[in-house]
Amino acid sequence: EVQLVESGGGLVQPGGSLRLSCAASGFNFNNHWMTWVRQAPGKGLEWVANIKEDGSAKYYVDSVKGRFTISIENARNSLYLQMNSLRTEDTAVYYCARDTRSGSHDVFDIWGQGTMVTVSS
Amino acid sequence: AIQMTQSPSSLSASVGDRVIIICRTSQDIRSDLGWFQQKPGKAPKVLISAATTLQSGVPSRFSGSGSGSEFTLTISSLQPDDFATYYCLQDYSYPFTFGPGTKVDIK
Repeated sequence: EVQLVESGGGLVQPGGSLRLSCAASGFNFNNHWMTWVRQAPGKGLEWVANIKEDGSAKYYVDSVKGRFTISIENARNSLYLQMNSLRTEDTAVYYCARDTRSGSHDVFDIWGQGTMVTVSS
Repeated sequence: AIQMTQSPSSLSASVGDRVIIICRTSQDIRSDLGWFQQKPGKAPKVLISAATTLQSGVPSRFSGSGSGSEFTLTISSLQPDDFATYYCLQDYSYPFTFGPGTKVDIK
């Protein structure tokens, strides 16, 4: 079964750090870009970052640049999001998703169940 | 960043109704647009990619059209399982951006 499972969410104080993980199974992880999308409580979806299958290219939304780092570990079929200098506005459910590229198009076709990050004092 | 708008922001409809949701972008994005459905407490699900390509397993009552800066998602005959929030996403340039969403509920 093709599956993504996130972990690592929790409660953290402003200015703190957290590392999210996303474990992939059921597909060739090495052949896919991967992405993180978040959703603040009661709000819409926000694309956060994505990474090429070999880690050689990474892109971020402006609001997290310099604070968040996306990475992959192909040997473990895992995607990560290191989040530093967290702010209250980073509070959200964080989803990882597989990005299946077809020509110039990115298709977020497989999603995890999400992990909640709460930034609060 | 490319700005996204969706209209309407919400709508009430009955089973069997034809529903049309519009997504507009602040610049030409060719056909680099996808549509997602999200139900409360669940992860989004991709319905359409490249503006018009129906994803595997998605019912044929869903269709997408448009190019450039105006796109539509059409549900030809609304079913009980379709009550959800719908989002468009541009994947033309970074940062990728989602529309604000359209909530479809029961009339």
